[in-house]
Amino acid sequence: EPEVTQTPSHQVTQMGQEVILRCVPISNHLYFYWYRQILGQKVEFLVSFYNNEISEKSEIFDDQFSVERPDGSNFTLKIRSTKLEDSAMYFCASSLQLPAGTDTQYFGPGTRLTVL
Amino acid sequence: QQQVKQSPQSLIVQKGGISIINCAYENTAFDYFPWYQQFPGKGPALLIAIRPDVSEKKEGRFTISFNKSAKQFSLHIMDSQPGDSATYFCAASKSGGFKTIFGAGTRLFVKA
Repeated sequence: EPEVTQTPSHQVTQMGQEVILRCVPISNHLYFYWYRQILGQKVEFLVSFYNNEISEKSEIFDDQFSVERPDGSNFTLKIRSTKLEDSAMYFCASSLQLPAGTDTQYFGPGTRLTVL
Repeated sequence: QQQVKQSPQSLIVQKGGISIINCAYENTAFDYFPWYQQFPGKGPALLIAIRPDVSEKKEGRFTISFNKSAKQFSLHIMDSQPGDSATYFCAASKSGGFKTIFGAGTRLFVKA
C-alpha cells in the first residue's frame, strides 16, 4: 500500500540553525500538508500546499518557515533559524484529489526535531 | 471558535468493554468530522469520519454519534481490544477547506 515517507526520523540541531525536513507524499496525490505535534500535545496544522503554492497557513507558520516542492516527488519544510520551542514531531500528509475538508489525509511517520 | 474540545484525556477500559470519547466544537462552519488513531511512533491514521447530515455512522466496532444542535460528536469503540490501545484524536474541518483542527487527544488503554 502506498505511504507517505519522511526523512530523517530524528533531527537534532542547535538553536539558530536552519533545518530542512523532507517528505515524499503518495505519488498521485495533489494536496500536501505539514503538521506539528509538541510532545504530549495535540496535532497542529501548519500549512497546506496545492498547485505549487501555499493554499492556507496557520499563525504558527511565520516567516521562519517555508515549504517547497522542488521536484515531482519531494515536499520540504524549512525552518530558517530554529528556536527551542520548535522542538516537536513534524508530520507530513497528503490527500488525493480534494483538500483535507473533503478527502482522506494520509500521514507520514513524522520527523522528531530536537532543538538544543 | 476554531477549537475542538476533547475528553477524557485518558481512558482505561477492560477488554470487551465500550470506550467512549467525546468532542465538542464551536464553529458551525465545520462540516467534516474525522477521527484519527495514532500508535506510538506513527502518524495519525484516519479511523472513521462523519458529516452532519447523519446522526450516526458505524464501521465495524467503531461508531460515531453526532449531535448537530449540541455541536458535539463522540466515538464509541464496542468490544474494546488490547490492540485498540492508542491515542485517538477527533478533528474538524470545512468541506473544501485545507485546514484540519485537532482535539487534544485521548490516550486509551484496554486492559487484557
